[in-house]
Amino acid sequence: GAGVSQSPSNKVTEKGKDVELRCDPISGHTALYWYRQSLGQGLEFLIYFQGNSAPDKSGLPSDRFSAERTGGSVSTLTIQRTQQEDSAVYLCASSLLWNTEAFFGQGTRLTVV
Amino acid sequence: AQSVTQLGSHVSVSEGALVLLRCNYSSSVPPYLFWYVQYPNQGLQLLLKYTTGATLVKGINGFEAEFKKSETSFHLTKPSAHMSDAAEYFCAVTPGGATNKLIFGTGTLLAVQP
Repeated sequence: GAGVSQSPSNKVTEKGKDVELRCDPISGHTALYWYRQSLGQGLEFLIYFQGNSAPDKSGLPSDRFSAERTGGSVSTLTIQRTQQEDSAVYLCASSLLWNTEAFFGQGTRLTVV
Repeated sequence: AQSVTQLGSHVSVSEGALVLLRCNYSSSVPPYLFWYVQYPNQGLQLLLKYTTGATLVKGINGFEAEFKKSETSFHLTKPSAHMSDAAEYFCAVTPGGATNKLIFGTGTLLAVQP
C-alpha cells in the first residue's frame, strides 16, 4: 500500500493476556518507530528499528514489552500479561532513512479490560 | 535532555482569525523541530519542519513557523483559520545522533468557531 498500515485497528483484551500489534511500513523504508499515545502520558517514543536491528529501545516501559522486525519490513510489538495502564493508541511510523521524514500509520487502539 | 513545552492545551479561534500555537523547546544541541497535526481517529501528519537554514519555515495548509534560537521557540501560525483546521497539533524535537526519534509536546487542541 501507499502508507503505513497497522493492524488491528482496534483490540480489546482481558487483563493478563498477551497481545501482538502489527506494523507494515512503507515499502523501502529502512527506519521504523513505535510510539504510544495515552491520555495520561501523551505521545511517547517506544522503540526504533534500523533494518532489523533496534539501536534504541529506551522507551519500552517494562520487560513485558518487546518488538521485532523481520526482513527489514514488518514489525510486531508484543505486550505480555497486559495491564489496564497499557490501554492506549499504539502508533507506528516509518522513514526512508533514519534522518528523513517519518510517516505515521493510523494506530491500533488497545483497550485492556 | 531535549524537551518540548506547548503552552495551552486548548485554543479556540474564530473562522478567519489568526492562529497562534506556542512551542518552546529545550535542547543542548541544535535541534530539529517539527509540527504535526492529528485529525480525529487518524495518525499524525507532518505540517512542517526546521532543520537548518532559513528560520521561517512554510508548511502545508497555509501554516508556517519561525525558529527563534534566542527565545528557544518554534511557534506555529496561520493568518486565517478555516473550519477544517480544527485538530490537535503537536510540536516535536529530535535529539539528534543516530536516531530520529521524536520527543513530543503534550499537544494543543485547536477549535475553530464559525
